[in-house]
Amino acid sequence: RKEVEQDPGPFNVPEGATVAFNCTYSNSASQSFFWYRQDCRKEPKLLMSVYSSGNEDGRFTAQLNRASQYISLLIRDSKLSDSATYLCVVSSGGTDSWGKLQFGAGTQVVVTP
Amino acid sequence: DGGITQSPKYLFRKEGQNVTLSCEQNLNHDAMYWYRQDPGQGLRLIYYSQIVNDFQKGDIAEGYSVSREKKESFPLTVTSAQKNPTAFYLCASSRTSGDETRYFGPGTRLTVT
Repeated sequence: RKEVEQDPGPFNVPEGATVAFNCTYSNSASQSFFWYRQDCRKEPKLLMSVYSSGNEDGRFTAQLNRASQYISLLIRDSKLSDSATYLCVVSSGGTDSWGKLQFGAGTQVVVTP
Repeated sequence: DGGITQSPKYLFRKEGQNVTLSCEQNLNHDAMYWYRQDPGQGLRLIYYSQIVNDFQKGDIAEGYSVSREKKESFPLTVTSAQKNPTAFYLCASSRTSGDETRYFGPGTRLTVT
């Protein structure tokens, strides 16, 4: 079983609509969670960290559900520029966290006019 | 502008040849990483370096080698021992080894035939 699993999509979303998708993780000791955005054939870029209480950054809302071991990302009022692959990243934390970042394969979102 | 540069963007090699991928950063970050990305899979860690003149194997180091003689540079050599070298290679850095945020370079797409 993969440590981090994502629905690959694609999620086809009309412009202006809301889209949400999850990422499940298998290690219950995971402490840090992130969403990265990756455009086609480009490098990943940090979108946002995910905090226990949930957090919002503009049209993006991230939530963490420790009991069910998943994080979610919701995009409101989708823009054409939101079309990308969203990578879920999970860390076990600790001072030597470098070796413990686990990347999901990504969820593709396609926003259509 | 601070950032990470990787060259070349595309690289084509014949099977049996070693090839070196360049990675340079001017962010003054201590830690650097090499990841490999394959279709349908999450990023996998090849090698990482916490400080100059030090590096450790990641999850899939076989067939690869690195050096870290300067803080700014972390080249990756893909040797002929690597069974499936065709992939998208991403170099990344973080301020320190304990910092979980990764800053990625634009990547090198290697094709070996």
